[in-house]
Amino acid sequence: SAVISQKPSRDICQRGTSLTIQCQVDSQVTMMFWYRQQPGQSLTLIATANQGSEATYESGFVIDKFPISRPNLTFSTLTVSNMSPEDSSIYLCSVEVTGKMWTEAFFGQGTRLTVV
Amino acid sequence: DAKTTQPPSMDCAEGRAANLPCNHSTISGNEYVYWYRQIHSQGPQYIIHGLKNNETNEMASLIITEDRKSSTLILPHATLRDTAVYYCIVRSQAAGNKLTFGGGTRVLVKP
Repeated sequence: SAVISQKPSRDICQRGTSLTIQCQVDSQVTMMFWYRQQPGQSLTLIATANQGSEATYESGFVIDKFPISRPNLTFSTLTVSNMSPEDSSIYLCSVEVTGKMWTEAFFGQGTRLTVV
Repeated sequence: DAKTTQPPSMDCAEGRAANLPCNHSTISGNEYVYWYRQIHSQGPQYIIHGLKNNETNEMASLIITEDRKSSTLILPHATLRDTAVYYCIVRSQAAGNKLTFGGGTRVLVKP
């Protein structure tokens, strides 16, 4: 299993500013994933972050808007840059743990972001 | 990853079994069926997964049809704490293969 801690748990930010969200895992993992969940919607993958390489972004998400760092095997950050009210969402960090028989994903509690 | 289709919502009486259907008619041979749930204000939580055999754990049972084109998650004795959005996802076991979340089923367990 994996325990994920995200900081901050919530924040209210002014438009035009940036917020960096931290994700800490209690074990070393190869891949970390960042998701966005807009109000009332399902989860959408933003990017996949591997240690030692640039993040891979999904269609509709770009590095300039959502820069990601992955300095080691237990930590990652997601920055939401130049925020607008449309960025108000829950942002979730996720990791995969692969055992002998299956792969399971674990999620942090999320960061609830409100942009005013 | 194959797409899944779930009813958007369903109600269930406390103490009764909740049967949550999922259609995944384009599932391929190496793809598993995973179920996650998301309780309000929390991150998704793994429930169960299976390939072709029925599976049971302490949380739920998973029934997969013989042709694997659909499945049913069964919560045997629903409690109020089971109120959540339930997501059915199909994916291969390859490491790093992303989870694609559909709309899920919003389950409301009523007293």
